[in-house]
Amino acid sequence: KNQVEQSPQSLIILEGKNCTLQCNYTVSPFSNLRWYKQDTGRGPVSLTIMTFSENTKSNGRYTATLDADTKQSSLHITASQLSDSASYICVVSDTGRRALTFGSGTRLQVQP
Amino acid sequence: DTGVSQDPRHKITKRGQNVTFRCDPISEHNRLYWYRQTLGQGPEFLTYFQNEAQLEKSRLLSDRFSAERPKGSFSTLEIQRTEQGDSAMYLCASSLASGANVLTFGAGSRLTVL
Repeated sequence: KNQVEQSPQSLIILEGKNCTLQCNYTVSPFSNLRWYKQDTGRGPVSLTIMTFSENTKSNGRYTATLDADTKQSSLHITASQLSDSASYICVVSDTGRRALTFGSGTRLQVQP
Repeated sequence: DTGVSQDPRHKITKRGQNVTFRCDPISEHNRLYWYRQTLGQGPEFLTYFQNEAQLEKSRLLSDRFSAERPKGSFSTLEIQRTEQGDSAMYLCASSLASGANVLTFGAGSRLTVL
């Protein structure tokens, strides 16, 4: 069964600090992995998408890494801002099914 | 085009009533997805269309749920005889059939069943 596990479940950090969110997956055969940001009461918005051959990809203060051998990904947020407070969802696509496997998300709260 | 639109944004209904949600995808997107999301969880796949064809349905989509995309453009998700367990956010997303299949989500329709 395809699964995506995220940790931590929730995280509180002070504004300006860095943090790293983790994603482990068992989806096979792997096609791509993407990180979404979901503000409360809104739909998810794509941050990055990574394919099998990509190890690192950045989008502003967000840097995603992928280790396809260990089936792990991380999302690093640098110099956090209050607007980073949201849920961050790891989503993995396999090459067979059209649908995606979602993690439960990490709820990040950035405090002043 | 303003992205994926969902209507209504919020719906409160009594148990046993029927509800219908509408999704208008990005116009050039031929794939359309419905997901359900409960508090603190990631979205769960319900069903997916390519053009007007419904190609996949989750086992979560019980016989009380029906989705249509009659002309390959907008889609509706109907829930009959609602139950309290149906309370959730119903998310619609669309994408192109080619490429990396990056989904663009709507803001969701929140259902509360009393």
